Amino acid sequence: QKEVEQDPGPLSVPEGAIVSLNCTYSNSAFQYFMWYRQYSRKGPELLMYTYSSGNKEDGRFTAQVDKSSKYISLFIRDSQPSDSATYLCAPTGFQKLVFGTGTRLLVSP
Amino acid sequence: EADIYQTPRYLVIGTGKKITLECSQTMGHDKMYWYQQDPGMELHLIHYSYGVNSTEKGDLSSESTVSRIRTEHFPLTLESARPSHTSQYLCASSRNGLNEKLFFGSGTQLSVL
Repeated sequence: QKEVEQDPGPLSVPEGAIVSLNCTYSNSAFQYFMWYRQYSRKGPELLMYTYSSGNKEDGRFTAQVDKSSKYISLFIRDSQPSDSATYLCAPTGFQKLVFGTGTRLLVSP
Repeated sequence: EADIYQTPRYLVIGTGKKITLECSQTMGHDKMYWYQQDPGMELHLIHYSYGVNSTEKGDLSSESTVSRIRTEHFPLTLESARPSHTSQYLCASSRNGLNEKLFFGSGTQLSVL
């Protein structure tokens, strides 16, 4: 079993839609949860960083962690074509960082 | 914008050639990493370093080698490239400390014919 499971997509939505991206993980040692965004032919860049369970909001983005079910979500409100990218969840703990496969998101105008 | 640079961006070479992928960062980070990424697949850690003269192998076995003679420089070398080495190679760096975020370069897309 992979430590992090993420639907690779692609997920296609119209501009303005609310997007939900999800990951599950198996290692209960993970304490920090990151979302990276990767544009085509670029390296990933950190988008959101949360600690333990709960929600964190940053503009149109909300990261949600449920440690009891080992479930991580990223919500994007009012999605824009510029949000088209691959989103990788990356739980981490005790210096172990694991990336999901990433979900490819396509937002059409 | 991250101050971490990789060269070349694209490299097409023949089997058996020796290649070096360059990675430099200007943030003074002690930790540096090399990841391998294939389309639709996870990022796999192949090498990392916690500082000068420190190098370790990552989770994914790789025939490549790395060196860390200077803090800012972390080159990756393949002595004899093969078609199975075709992939995207991403370099990253981070500050010391637990669970620090990674800053990535733009990657080198390597194609071995």
